[in-house]
Amino acid sequence: KQEVTQIPAALSVPEGENLVLNCSFTDSAIYNLQWFRQDPGKGLTSLLLIQSSQREQTSGRLNASLDKSSGRSTLYIAASQPGDSATYLCAVRPWVGDTGRRALTFGSGTRLQVQP
Amino acid sequence: KAGVTQTPRYLIKTRGQQVTLSCSPISGHRSVSWYQQTPGQGLQFLFEYFSETQRNKGNFPGRFSGRQFSNSRSEMNVSTLELGDSALYLCASSSRQDQETQYFGPGTRLLVL
Repeated sequence: KQEVTQIPAALSVPEGENLVLNCSFTDSAIYNLQWFRQDPGKGLTSLLLIQSSQREQTSGRLNASLDKSSGRSTLYIAASQPGDSATYLCAVRPWVGDTGRRALTFGSGTRLQVQP
Repeated sequence: KAGVTQTPRYLIKTRGQQVTLSCSPISGHRSVSWYQQTPGQGLQFLFEYFSETQRNKGNFPGRFSGRQFSNSRSEMNVSTLELGDSALYLCASSSRQDQETQYFGPGTRLLVL
């Protein structure tokens, strides 16, 4: 059974700092890995998706990497801003057969606070 | 393109009642998944529908059911509500053309009294 762990559970940094959020998973047979952001009481916003064949994806100040063999992914946020304050979740979609269509397994998230 | 929409956004019910939640996926998306989010258990998968067929089901009791219509809109139903069913229910849609990226709606907040 796939298990996804995110460390740290909470993080507080001053504005402008670069930071790294970690995600680890136990089963390397994955179809893709997706990073989300969730603001309090809201739905999830997709940030980046990395296919199993890819090593990294970038969008603006965000960079996500994937090391499937070691079961790890990192989300790098450059020059953090107060508006980045939210909970960040990673989710893994396992590979099953030809389609790889199975449910996402989520980590418990990292709650980030960026201090002005 | 409009995002995933969910109705209602908030709902208050009492134990023993039943509830129906609705989800409209992004236009062109045929896969719809439902998740339950609680502070204690985090995000847990309920079920997935594709072209009106349930493709996957999570580990929830039979009180939780769903369906998908020909226009890909989906509903989930919870019967005989329990206090522990209080949660944020999230719907997500995806498409193979978009690498199966999951796009989530704003959720329905259900409170069972």
